[in-house]
Parts: sequence; structure tokens; C-alpha cells
Amino acid sequence: KAGVTQTPRYLIKTRGQQVTLSCSPISGHRSVSWYQQTPGQGLQFLFEYFSETQRNKGNFPGRFSGRQFSNSRSEMNVSTLELGDSALYLCASSAIGNANEKLFFGSGTQLSVL
Amino acid sequence: DQQVKQNSPSLSVQEGRISILNCDYTNSMFDYFLWYKKYPAEGPTFLISISSIKDKNEDGRFTVFLNKSAKHLSLHIVPSQPGDSAVYFCAAINSGGYQKVTFGIGTKLQVIP
Repeated sequence: KAGVTQTPRYLIKTRGQQVTLSCSPISGHRSVSWYQQTPGQGLQFLFEYFSETQRNKGNFPGRFSGRQFSNSRSEMNVSTLELGDSALYLCASSAIGNANEKLFFGSGTQLSVL
Repeated sequence: DQQVKQNSPSLSVQEGRISILNCDYTNSMFDYFLWYKKYPAEGPTFLISISSIKDKNEDGRFTVFLNKSAKHLSLHIVPSQPGDSAVYFCAAINSGGYQKVTFGIGTKLQVIP
């Protein structure tokens, strides 16, 4: 069974641009979550999607948005990039997104904002 | 405000000895706790979990202890092996809601051969 796939692996953008990251969950998994990892903050929850609906959202500004498609694939968009958005963005999937289901993570997209 | 705190950013242990990684939490609504391990250039992988109704859970060389009154949990690795060198994230959940995991900032464990 293929794992969680995130593309692209690396991205370099400049301030003010926007970026779209993609995540394909494990086959059969319907819940997809997104996390931002920075050295001083650890992993911070961005949002969770299930059956194309956002069920939960973290404390991030509206510049961060996402969506999920009918095949459970998900995209995350960051508009008007700021230097502080430089981070590793991790996607995780689980079967139905119950609170205590373990997460399966992708390898992440490393975003650098110059 | 860090609701899950890992106060030791790094830890070095000799191979064969015990590694103890600590974690404190502040939110009393958390009732399920997990540890994830992360190697460089890879995503975190699930290691072990514990429900708040238990005070200990064991899986091979890994044991997690939970002290609810102190809001403290710890991960013990015995014996430590060089392949255990990684960043370990403590995580907590309020199982009454949908999946929204609160992670600590991680502890980098180095096991010295």
C-alpha cells in the first residue's frame, strides 16, 4: 500500500506570491490533516478535511486555506506569502479521522520564502 | 501558548542504556497521548500511545508512563539503539472531537554507539 504522497518536495517562493501544495492520502483513507513544522514551534495543526468538508481548523490566518477532492486528495494554499511562512508542511491521513486514530504522515513539502 | 511542552530540546544516551524523554501538558481536556518519531527528510511515524484511563503502556523496548495528576508523561526506551536516534514528538488529543492533534516541539535523541 502506497504511503502518503506530498508534492512538490521543495519550493522556493518570494514574498507576496502564493503557493499550492498537494497531498495524496493512503488509499482508502478519507481524513487528511495539514501541519506546519518550524524549529521553535514544533508541529502546529492547520486544518482537517473529511469527505470534502473542513471539520477542524487551527489558529492560522485566512491566508492559509485548503480543500479536499472527492478522491480524498487534498491541496493547501497559502496566499500573500510572508517570510515567516517558511516551514515544512506536513500532510497526514487516517481512515475516518476519529480523534485517537494514528496519523500517517507524508515526507512533507519544504517551503522557503525569500 | 504551548499546551504540550517538551522542555529538553536534545538528549544524548549511550547505546544499551535507558533513554527517558519527558513531556508536560497543560490542557486537562487532553485524554489521549501519543509519541511520534521523526527521522530527517521523513514524516513523523507513530510510535506508541496511551489513554488517560491507563498509567502505563508497553510495546517492546518502548514504554510510555502517564501521571495525570502531574500532567506529565514520559517515554522510556530500553535498551537504546543507534537506530533510535531521531526527533521524538509528544502529542495530545481531546478524544471528544475530531482529529486535532497538539504536538510538542520535539526532543532530539542521539544514541551514541
